[in-house]
Amino acid sequence: AQTVTQSQPEMSVQEAETVTLSCTYDTSESDYYLFWYKQPPSRQMILVIRQEAYKQQNATENRFSVNFQKAAKSFSLKISDSQLGDAAMYFCAPVKAAGNKLTFGGGTRVLVKP
Amino acid sequence: DTGVSQDPRHKITKRGQNVTFRCDPISEHNRLYWYRQTLGQGPEFLTYFQNEAQLEKSRLLSDRFSAERPKGSFSTLEIQRTEQGDSAMYLCASSSGTGMIRYGYTFGSGTRLTVV
Repeated sequence: AQTVTQSQPEMSVQEAETVTLSCTYDTSESDYYLFWYKQPPSRQMILVIRQEAYKQQNATENRFSVNFQKAAKSFSLKISDSQLGDAAMYFCAPVKAAGNKLTFGGGTRVLVKP
Repeated sequence: DTGVSQDPRHKITKRGQNVTFRCDPISEHNRLYWYRQTLGQGPEFLTYFQNEAQLEKSRLLSDRFSAERPKGSFSTLEIQRTEQGDSAMYLCASSSGTGMIRYGYTFGSGTRLTVV
């Protein structure tokens, strides 16, 4: 079974600044994918960014980028130029390549100060 | 297609009553998932369907919980004899078989259950 740890319950960032959210996971799989999801208050979860474990290059999606360290089983999310709309819960979730079930971490709440 | 729809959005029920939630996935998606999320926590997997077949159930899904997807389209999640510990947000998500790895899940807005 996969376990996912997000060690920061809450992070605060000034608007336009950068914040990094940490995620570590434990898996015995060699081929898997990793996702970051965003859950705004009272709104549905949406996919922010994904990473294939077989790729060394870190994924980037506009202001969102990841730092994937496969050996360390670490998958952090960096939000650059933070905006008020980035305020939300963020969840890390790995899934094995042949699988179908996302396992979510406990989440990190991001607060953006104007 | 308006995405994944869940009904109702909110449900308040007395302890011991039965409740049923409905989820309508994206029409092209053959996989449907149910998760439970308590306040301040990440979603926990309950069960998933591929078409009409229920392929996996979590140990969290006690005998009081049952889920169906009779025609491979919408799904229902029923909780019998509700307990206060069942109070949570129940999330439904869907994906295509091939698209799941690339696009992840598409989530609904959830049904918030409060057992009083």
